Amino acid sequence: AQSVSQHNHHVILSEAASLELGCNYSYGGTVNLFWYVQYPGQHLQLLLKYFSGDPLVKGIKGFEAEFIKSKFSFNLRKPSVQWSDTAEYFCAVNAHSNYQLIWGAGTKLIIKP
Amino acid sequence: DTAVSQTPKYLVTQMGNDKSIKCEQNLGHDTMYWYKQDSKKFLKIMFSYNNKELIINETVPNRFSPKSPDKAHLNLHINSLELGDSAVYFCASSHSGGAHEQYFGPGTRLTVT
Repeated sequence: AQSVSQHNHHVILSEAASLELGCNYSYGGTVNLFWYVQYPGQHLQLLLKYFSGDPLVKGIKGFEAEFIKSKFSFNLRKPSVQWSDTAEYFCAVNAHSNYQLIWGAGTKLIIKP
Repeated sequence: DTAVSQTPKYLVTQMGNDKSIKCEQNLGHDTMYWYKQDSKKFLKIMFSYNNKELIINETVPNRFSPKSPDKAHLNLHINSLELGDSAVYFCASSHSGGAHEQYFGPGTRLTVT
């Protein structure tokens, strides 16, 4: 069965620190990959997505992610975080043409001012 | 101009009652979803409809029944509410197929007392 693993459940950083959140999935075929963000008390919003092409994708608010097929990974990065990045971050994966997204458990990111 | 809207935003009710949550999207999507997010922020897909046809029906109690009167609406009816049903319920929509992001509604926070 497909699964998505987010290694860090809680991450606490100071402002201006660099961020990398891990995401690994288990599925041998072609996949679509997503990172969503949920700010406190709000709904989920798409940060970035990968379907094909350049494995380094850039999203909103300075976030980027790199798809490494050999490692089944899609890690999220940001060179310098801000207090406003405090949120829950979710990685999600689905097989091409499959409606159902498989979600990671989420990583709670807290940025100390 | 809200893309995916849900009503009500908050719902407090007693055990044993029956309640409904409504969802509407004005994005022209043909696929809609219901998710449950528990207190630990874990997201679980419950149902999905494509062109009013049920395509994802995860293992949820029979007390939960979705209904899609048309492509722009997906409602969730819950019978005989239990304490464990307390959660945030998110509606989402997307175009057909897996290679499309899902757009989420603001959520309905259900509290069963």
